Amino acid sequence: GDSVTQMEGPVTLSEEAFLTINCTYTATGYPSLFWYVQYPGEGLQLLLKATKADDKGSNKGFEATYRKETTSFHLEKGSVQVSDSAVYFCALSQGGGYQKVTFGTGTKLQVIP
Amino acid sequence: GAVVSQHPSRVICKSGTSVKIECRSLDFQATTMFWYRQFPKKSLMLMATSNEGSKATYEQGVEKDKFLINHASLTLSTLTVTSAHPEDSSFYICSAIGEGKTRSNQPQHFGDGTRLSIL
Repeated sequence: GDSVTQMEGPVTLSEEAFLTINCTYTATGYPSLFWYVQYPGEGLQLLLKATKADDKGSNKGFEATYRKETTSFHLEKGSVQVSDSAVYFCALSQGGGYQKVTFGTGTKLQVIP
Repeated sequence: GAVVSQHPSRVICKSGTSVKIECRSLDFQATTMFWYRQFPKKSLMLMATSNEGSKATYEQGVEKDKFLINHASLTLSTLTVTSAHPEDSSFYICSAIGEGKTRSNQPQHFGDGTRLSIL
């Protein structure tokens, strides 16, 4: 079945540092890929998505590129802020989100001033 | 944007009681709602998919008699944890997808979750 693997955390960075959270997936066909963010005590919010190979999703300074050749969707941000501290989930869906979503285990990011 | 409201946000109750969690779509009609369970330091596990007016589809290993799901209207789905025990303590999150011209690229909109603690 489909699966998502992302790097284990926690990841601790200083403010303004560069962020990369690795994500790889196993799936049949051409899934849609997502990054969700979960702030403490809250539900998930969609951060960005990409629906086909070579698409780049971006939002709030975060970006990720759908790489089919490496089955990856790594999340990057050039300069993190304390407010970016949260848990980040990589996910995929075969139906663009209409079908059930398969999540990775989440990576906790802590940004220190 | 689309908002999904989940209530209550936190509940503590005694073992053996039943607990109902509501999930409402506030500004759109949710044809499909999903219920997830999140274990500490783990990812979300899909429990079931519910479509308005029909029986929920449960994932393998999820007890349908234990976790009752009702999707009675296009804006409300409920999850009832029956005869709850300490091992049912967890963070439960719902999500919803609405109708639209193009359903294929609609993301799921998540509620803020319910922290359930069974003593």
